[in-house]
Amino acid sequence: QQQVKQSPQSLIVQKGGISIINCAYENTAFDYFPWYQQFPGKGPALLIAIRPDVSEKKEGRFTISFNKSAKQFSLHIMDSQPGDSATYFCAAKKGGYNKLIFGAGTRLAVHP
Amino acid sequence: SQTIHQWPATLVQPVGSPLSLECTVEGTSNPNLYWYRQAAGRGLQLLFYSVGIGQISSEVPQNLSASRPQDRQFILSSKKLLLSDSGFYLCAWSSLGLAGTDTQYFGPGTRLTVL
Repeated sequence: QQQVKQSPQSLIVQKGGISIINCAYENTAFDYFPWYQQFPGKGPALLIAIRPDVSEKKEGRFTISFNKSAKQFSLHIMDSQPGDSATYFCAAKKGGYNKLIFGAGTRLAVHP
Repeated sequence: SQTIHQWPATLVQPVGSPLSLECTVEGTSNPNLYWYRQAAGRGLQLLFYSVGIGQISSEVPQNLSASRPQDRQFILSSKKLLLSDSGFYLCAWSSLGLAGTDTQYFGPGTRLTVL
């Protein structure tokens, strides 16, 4: 119940295309769902986050879609650019202490 | 603004040697602190978290330990390293005091190779 399942493991998208990464969870007590972007050799950086009372959140080219009934959420990267090539992690938080459960990550490659 | 530091950036240690990784946070008080390990090409595994000085919670049984001697200092240690301890170690902080945020902010990481 504590797992967050992320797919696909890797993704190749052409420049200008849409990148879509999906995550699913079991625990309905999760109350915060962030996405992190990580470049090789660097620490993850928060990209965008959503709470379960909202179905969609958009920040620039990045959008989170959240389906509470299906216990799924996804990251959409519009107009994908080579600079977006990185590993993306979804995560979920339950309760206090801000403990995050991370998905296994998706390695995105955007080809020019 | 808040910043988080980790050192060393890279470390190569022989099996059986001790380990000490340090993490410090600037620009905030009473942060929650976290240690994660990331194996090559894998996700992040929470190792320890701390909500205050001397308060450490372990998430997985292992060869490692953590300590928080000061409010903004978090240390990851081992008495005898194993080959399986190799990985990318990340420290993170968060603050429940900041309204409307549950964000964890990560440091630059330490790449540990045990030979």
